[in-house]
Amino acid sequence: GAVVSQHPSRVICKSGTSVKIECRSLDFQATTMFWYRQFPKQSLMLMATSNEGSKATYEQGVEKDKFLINHASLTLSTLTVTSAHPEDSSFYICSAIDRGSETQYFGPGTRLLVL
Amino acid sequence: AQSVTQLGSHVSVSEGALVLLRCNYSSSVPPYLFWYVQYPNQGLQLLLKYTTGATLVKGINGFEAEFKKSETSFHLTKPSAHMSDAAEYFCAVRAYSGGYQKVTFGTGTKLQVIP
Repeated sequence: GAVVSQHPSRVICKSGTSVKIECRSLDFQATTMFWYRQFPKQSLMLMATSNEGSKATYEQGVEKDKFLINHASLTLSTLTVTSAHPEDSSFYICSAIDRGSETQYFGPGTRLLVL
Repeated sequence: AQSVTQLGSHVSVSEGALVLLRCNYSSSVPPYLFWYVQYPNQGLQLLLKYTTGATLVKGINGFEAEFKKSETSFHLTKPSAHMSDAAEYFCAVRAYSGGYQKVTFGTGTKLQVIP
């Protein structure tokens, strides 16, 4: 079946540094990818919708200059957390829609810890 | 605009008992509806989905859900709970909004199965 991968799966960084998370659709083309954030014991919060070849659409309250999203190709989207702070520590999950089947697949998530 | 409401953040059932997790949605356009399961420290796994056609949808692990347009509901059921069903369950709605697809998740329901 279709798979979405995320790299890294876990990352620990110092406050003030930037962290890049990659999301890849492994065997399908994804015109649309989503980035979610999940706090402990809470639901997924949609951060932004990433469309290949165009700027990402951010949800209200999400700082686009802090969470940079690049959907460079039909199989890759990246989320860069710039100047990370401890409050950015969270579980980040990407998702991709297979443009052929319209099925949405989720990545396994990336756990970010900012010290 | 779209939204998802999951009634009950925690549900406890005895092993072998019926599982019923409630989900109500609102959407200005015909939505696709989904149920996902999340085990601790893992990503989301699709249980089942409704797009079009038959309103009773069967998924993995013996789960099923019925789309009731008149009630704007998509409740998840399983006739007999198993210990391995203990997890968090999320209902989600996907629809086109402003020209692009948007997915909204409910707040989740944690299912506890009592032996």
